[in-house]
Amino acid sequence: QVQLVQSGAEVKKPGSSVKVSCKASGGTFSSYTISWVRQAPGQGLEWMGRIIPIPAIANYAQKFQGRVTITADKSTSTAYMELNSLISEDTAVYYCAGSTVGPYRVWGQGTQVTVSS
Amino acid sequence: DIQMTQSPSSLSASVGDRVTITCRASQSISNYLNWYQQKPGKAPKLLIYGASSLQSGVPSRFSGSGSGTDFTLTISSLQPEDLATYYCQQSYSTPLTFGGGTKVEIK
Repeated sequence: QVQLVQSGAEVKKPGSSVKVSCKASGGTFSSYTISWVRQAPGQGLEWMGRIIPIPAIANYAQKFQGRVTITADKSTSTAYMELNSLISEDTAVYYCAGSTVGPYRVWGQGTQVTVSS
Repeated sequence: DIQMTQSPSSLSASVGDRVTITCRASQSISNYLNWYQQKPGKAPKLLIYGASSLQSGVPSRFSGSGSGTDFTLTISSLQPEDLATYYCQQSYSTPLTFGGGTKVEIK
């Protein structure tokens, strides 16, 4: 089964961008849809969007449309989530999650993103 | 977007108790309903998929039921290690929305 390992914690200024990576190992990357889910402090889980690595089609929650970009690099088995125009409310733990069909059977460890001036 | 509503938002029960958490979808999602357990400081873990199928390795005290709009997660005999927040999620259509969570505490 694939394992997902995310990049480390980030501290960003308001108005800047952050790019979080999610590297897959131990499985066939192209078989998995990779989604991004975030969790603000003390809050629930919020779905941001997903990418199907082949043919690299992404779709996004309307809330984040125009501000988030999810990409995948098949050559390195890595998915990325870039969020622009950061505000303090974007402070959260960001998870990548993998599925073949339907549920997320595998999750990354989470990446803390803190937005602060 | 499909809205997922969980109840209760929190509960406290004793070891050995039967615990039931409900999840309601704003429209029919057939059986495209998943349940996750999240322990403090950890990533969520899949418990139940397809409304009632137990994920491999998950203890049999966990079970799920329902279809259409109303779903239930049951813990047949609560154990100390079940201290966690539980989330339902619909995988019927994007955005793949989650319920607000149910925090389970041990008395």
